[in-house]
Amino acid sequence: AQKITQTQPGMFVQEKEAVTLDCTYDTSDPSYGLFWYKQPSSGEMIFLIYQGSYDQQNATEGRYSLNFQKARKSANLVISASQLGDSAMYFCAMRESDNDMRFGAGTRLTVKP
Amino acid sequence: SAVISQKPSRDICQRGTSLTIQCQVDSQVTMMFWYRQQPGQSLTLIATANQGSEATYESGFVIDKFPISRPNLTFSTLTVSNMSPEDSSIYLCSVDIAGGWYGTDTQYFGPGTRLTVL
Repeated sequence: AQKITQTQPGMFVQEKEAVTLDCTYDTSDPSYGLFWYKQPSSGEMIFLIYQGSYDQQNATEGRYSLNFQKARKSANLVISASQLGDSAMYFCAMRESDNDMRFGAGTRLTVKP
Repeated sequence: SAVISQKPSRDICQRGTSLTIQCQVDSQVTMMFWYRQQPGQSLTLIATANQGSEATYESGFVIDKFPISRPNLTFSTLTVSNMSPEDSSIYLCSVDIAGGWYGTDTQYFGPGTRLTVL
């Protein structure tokens, strides 16, 4: 069964608007970490944000925030004030106590001018 | 975080040849990882490389096809052997930066090696 599900193959957003990229996960492990990565067309994987399963507050890093809903097992990435440079693939990932990093299928975000 | 470099950044190779990809980290790390990303796909873990021991390969990947070296705590190589067009992918190395307990270590990635096999 899929551990990480990203249901949006592609998303469009107007420049300067906010966008939410969905991610749901499946685990019975009480200790886990959730991660978001950005992959521009150059191919590098850029770490954006991290949320721990025990964290009480949603993680934020600049224009990125993670909407963590533990009971629903969702960890959506919110990008505020979108910029043209935000156009990329975005991957959600989870790490459980076995320490393997599991990636979702990714969402391609296109920011329109 | 960590600064990770990979060489080459891209290459075009002929079928049946081999390519060795290098990964260099700016700090000592225990675990290094090698991933493959086929066109339009997500990342798939090839193997985990710890210094001083044999690499641990994931299901579907074998040492004869993807030999890995890990001579010290800052360097690793991945060789793609006897290449075929199906090996055309981005190959990425990554390292763990400890977060405090299992499940919280963040992986940082190198810039990737874009391989095309003709």
